[in-house]
Amino acid sequence: QQQVKQSPQSLIVQKGGISIINCAYENTAFDYFPWYQQFPGKGPALLIAIRPDVSEKKEGRFTISFNKSAKQFSLHIMDSQPGDSATYFCAASMNNAGNMLTFGGGTRLMVKP
Amino acid sequence: DAGITQSPRYKITETGRQVTLMCHQTWSHSYMFWYRQDLGHGLRLIYYSAAADITDKGEVPDGYVVSRSKTENFPLTLESATRSQTSVYFCATGGGTGREAFFGQGTRLTVV
Repeated sequence: QQQVKQSPQSLIVQKGGISIINCAYENTAFDYFPWYQQFPGKGPALLIAIRPDVSEKKEGRFTISFNKSAKQFSLHIMDSQPGDSATYFCAASMNNAGNMLTFGGGTRLMVKP
Repeated sequence: DAGITQSPRYKITETGRQVTLMCHQTWSHSYMFWYRQDLGHGLRLIYYSAAADITDKGEVPDGYVVSRSKTENFPLTLESATRSQTSVYFCATGGGTGREAFFGQGTRLTVV
């Protein structure tokens, strides 16, 4: 049973465009929703994270939008750059589970120059 | 300060052989995790450990064994490797001051 569903699986965006990746979760006990970025040959690294008490969090060109009632959250990358080309994973965790993460299936983003 | 180190980075083994993947951390984080990454499945949790001598199953534990006699080490053993265990394996730590999990560089394992 996949508790975190991510779409799309792949995404091609022109340089300067907006990249949008969506995730939906099922378990209402989740209380922490991070996005991880992974470059080829590397491990995932935390990009940005949000807690359910806020609807939006912005860090530079990266924004998480969170809809608690719909159990959905999304990552927006503004002014996408070729250097943003990577695989992005959404994830979720519960407070009583340490830092154990449940991941979405991943989105491979390609930003064309 | 390497933080979290996985070894080997690449491994080819034969079906039925036992293989151990190593994970070492220098942060003294309480939690350690093993994930496998497969196309279309994202990262799936195999086993995790909340502290030395405390381990528990994750989503896909069958065919794997872990131990954690010391806080800094968390080896993953495939007792009898199968082709379906061909994957990229990531070790991660957590339990620092925040909720972030930190990942190693990964081990690409091929079972032939």
